Amino acid sequence: EVQLVESGGGLVQPGRSLKLSCLASGFTFSNYGMNWIRQAPGKGLEWVASISSSSSYIYYADTVKGRFTISRDNAKNTLYLQMTSLRSEDTALYYCARLYYGYLYFDYWGQGVMVTVSS
Amino acid sequence: DVVLTQTPVSLSVTLGDQASISCRSSQSLEYSDGYTYLEWYLQKPGQSPQLLIYGVSNRFSGVPDRFIGSGSGTDFTLKISRVEPEDLGVYYCFQATHDPFTFGSGTKLEIK
Repeated sequence: EVQLVESGGGLVQPGRSLKLSCLASGFTFSNYGMNWIRQAPGKGLEWVASISSSSSYIYYADTVKGRFTISRDNAKNTLYLQMTSLRSEDTALYYCARLYYGYLYFDYWGQGVMVTVSS
Repeated sequence: DVVLTQTPVSLSVTLGDQASISCRSSQSLEYSDGYTYLEWYLQKPGQSPQLLIYGVSNRFSGVPDRFIGSGSGTDFTLKISRVEPEDLGVYYCFQATHDPFTFGSGTKLEIK
């Protein structure tokens, strides 16, 4: 059974940093691209970042480019999102999602981890 | 960036009736390989989003045939025939043709 479990969220002050993790199981992690998608409270979905299976290709939304870094450790089956210079508008539930190559769809999602940026 | 405009914002439907959601893109979503990376996701209350449709019209595994995706270029539609109680939630279109990827703003489906 495919599982994606996010962790690392919490309350952080504006300008500070936080690192999210997503532990994957039930599939060969190194064969799949992975993504972070977020949802601010009461708002819609926003794609944040994408990383290819071997980390060769990385993409970011304009709203986080230069502040967030997506990475992965295939030996640990773990996806990361390093977030720096956090702003109140980064407050959201952050989901990790598996990307199915060929058709580029998200076929499995985690339950999400909450990040609150507030003083 | 590609903007996906979904209409309506909300929809109230009687059980058994049809619902239709539009997704219009600010640019063509046909990629150079001829494929159109347009998907539909449903987020049920309190749950993570789930994939319904990929490649404009392909139903994902386990998705009932009541869900029908169509369209091309910049105009896309999701039709739900014979709406059932478990269909309530927020529907999002999503494009993976252009970087950065983008979601539509969502359409909330309510049951009358």
